[in-house]
Amino acid sequence: EAQVTQNPRYLITVTGKKLTVTCSQNMNHEYMSWYRQDPGLGLRQIYYSMNVEVTDKGDVPEGYKVSRKEKRNFPLILESPSPNQTSLYFCASRGGGFGYTFGSGTRLTVV
Amino acid sequence: QKEVEQNSGPLSVPEGAIASLNCTYSDRGSQSFFWYRQYSGKSPELIMFIYSNGDKEDGRFTAQLNKASQYVSLLIRDSQPSDSATYLCAVNIDYKLSFGAGTTVTVRA
Repeated sequence: EAQVTQNPRYLITVTGKKLTVTCSQNMNHEYMSWYRQDPGLGLRQIYYSMNVEVTDKGDVPEGYKVSRKEKRNFPLILESPSPNQTSLYFCASRGGGFGYTFGSGTRLTVV
Repeated sequence: QKEVEQNSGPLSVPEGAIASLNCTYSDRGSQSFFWYRQYSGKSPELIMFIYSNGDKEDGRFTAQLNKASQYVSLLIRDSQPSDSATYLCAVNIDYKLSFGAGTTVTVRA
């Protein structure tokens, strides 16, 4: 089944403790992206990657890092999480021109 | 000005009626346009995409695009309770997909 897999689904952590949210797709898509979703603000792009080793900032990159060492994986790294990064995070991948396929989401709470 | 703006809603329609959702975008270079449906706590699901001016129909859904007016809309005919969700308008420029804040639709049985 074609899908984008994110882990974990839920995560509660403390301020300053480094964490990684994993994202993997099995569709051989070149393009992958991370979004965060907050009430009233919609989905905002954090980072995107056009291919292996090619990444670029989206609209809200501060406090996040990404890497793309393999085509299928695009992890999101929070080196020192803060409470304002509490949000619902989605990974997405895109093949061709037909929109994005989203993962199931990761609900992150930073206390 | 936000890149993509949608009616704030919520929009409540009776079962069987037409739900009309509107979206405007600011960048005239926008290339393709998408409507996603998102149920509470779930990920967005693509329901329609449109690239050219005019109408595109898929089942009970019709997307309309007017690039001159920088406007895209979604009509849901014969609305069903299962259509109750938040609908997200998204606009693509090169490698960036920008979303509106969404319009929540409730279909009353």
